[in-house]
Amino acid sequence: GENVEQHPSTLSVQEGDSAVIKCTYSDSASNYFPWYKQELGKRPQLIIDIRSNVGEKKDQRIAVTLNKTAKHFSLHITETQPEDSAVYFCAPIRPGGYNKLIFGAGTRLAVHP
Amino acid sequence: DAEITQSPRHKITETGRQVTLACHQTWNHNNMFWYRQDLGHGLRLIHYSYGVHDTNKGEVSDGYSVSRSNTEDLPLTLESAASSQTSVYFCASSEEGKGTDTQYFGPGTRLTVL
Repeated sequence: GENVEQHPSTLSVQEGDSAVIKCTYSDSASNYFPWYKQELGKRPQLIIDIRSNVGEKKDQRIAVTLNKTAKHFSLHITETQPEDSAVYFCAPIRPGGYNKLIFGAGTRLAVHP
Repeated sequence: DAEITQSPRHKITETGRQVTLACHQTWNHNNMFWYRQDLGHGLRLIHYSYGVHDTNKGEVSDGYSVSRSNTEDLPLTLESAASSQTSVYFCASSEEGKGTDTQYFGPGTRLTVL
């Protein structure tokens, strides 16, 4: 079956530092690569996504980079703030591939003031 | 404003009972989904629908069923609740464009099966 792995599973940084979370996937037909943020007790929300025809996308302090050859994509957060503390999930998917949709297990990011 | 809602937000039931969780969206999205999230784990897809009268099984569909009689609603039914189905359930929806669109999640339903 499909395999999606996130690393690290937990990440602790000081406010102002950068954080990087990596998502590795096995389905080479995947062409949509989203990152969701879930704060404690809340619903997951999309924070950034990238499609297979783009290598990098940036939105203020967050960015996503994609390496389709190596089958991984990464979430980059710069100048971290305490409100960035949450669990982050990746969910790579192919067109029409919801029957194979697998969310990563999540990365718990803690940003310390 | 358009939104996606779930009810009830909390439910306690007993083993063997039938339970139905409601999901309602006002975005007119064609795609709707049900996930479960267990403590410390990611989201696992239970069922999904591409439109009215369409339903499909996800990764963990055993013991669950859905029906799609209109665009706005996708109720999830647990035919005979089991303790292993204690979890937080999230409904989600997305626009047309199979597999490549942002999913918008509801607030979740916390289900406890005793």
